[in-house]
Amino acid sequence: DQQVKQNSPSLSVQEGRISILNCDYTNSMFDYFLWYKKYPAEGPTFLISISSIKDKNEDGRFTVFLNKSAKHLSLHIVPSQPGDSAVYFCAASEVNRDDKIIFGKGTRLHILP
Amino acid sequence: DVKVTQSSRYLVKRTGEKVFLECVQDMDHENMFWYRQDPGLGLRLIYFSYDVKMKEKGDIPEGYSVSREKKERFSLILESASTNQTSMYLCASSLLPRTGGTEAFFGQGTRLTVV
Repeated sequence: DQQVKQNSPSLSVQEGRISILNCDYTNSMFDYFLWYKKYPAEGPTFLISISSIKDKNEDGRFTVFLNKSAKHLSLHIVPSQPGDSAVYFCAASEVNRDDKIIFGKGTRLHILP
Repeated sequence: DVKVTQSSRYLVKRTGEKVFLECVQDMDHENMFWYRQDPGLGLRLIYFSYDVKMKEKGDIPEGYSVSREKKERFSLILESASTNQTSMYLCASSLLPRTGGTEAFFGQGTRLTVV
């Protein structure tokens, strides 16, 4: 059973507008969440993370929101830029259990000119 | 900068061959991971290790084994390669969260084709 779900395989956004990528999880014991960005033929690179004790974390153009009651998190990118076109993976971990990091299937973001 | 290096970018192997994928990290990280990435399936955890000689199965360990004899090196072994193991393999490392670690750092990936 998939513990981390990214239900949108792809998303297209106009350059300069806001991109919102969504992620749901089923394991209420997850206490740390991460977003990664991946270009073709490269390894994923870390973008931003959030601990379950927070509901928002911001880093430049990237903001992650966490809604624990809904078991939902989202990544906001504003303004969207052409270099943001990539696959974005949501990931989660139980840091006090086994440090295993579970990834979603990814969402491909296309930034349109 | 953290560096995670995978020994090969591209590999082509024959069905039934024993295949070794090597990964080395230079940041003294305790945790190391092997994932595979397939279209529509995302990143799936094969095995991870939180210390030398320690290993834990991930979600899809069947057909794979691992070895961690030194802290910096984590090897993925395909005992008898099959065509359904054709995939992109990604190695990652991280500090234990208990020691201040958070995110995992990935290597560049190995594209393995089994023919």
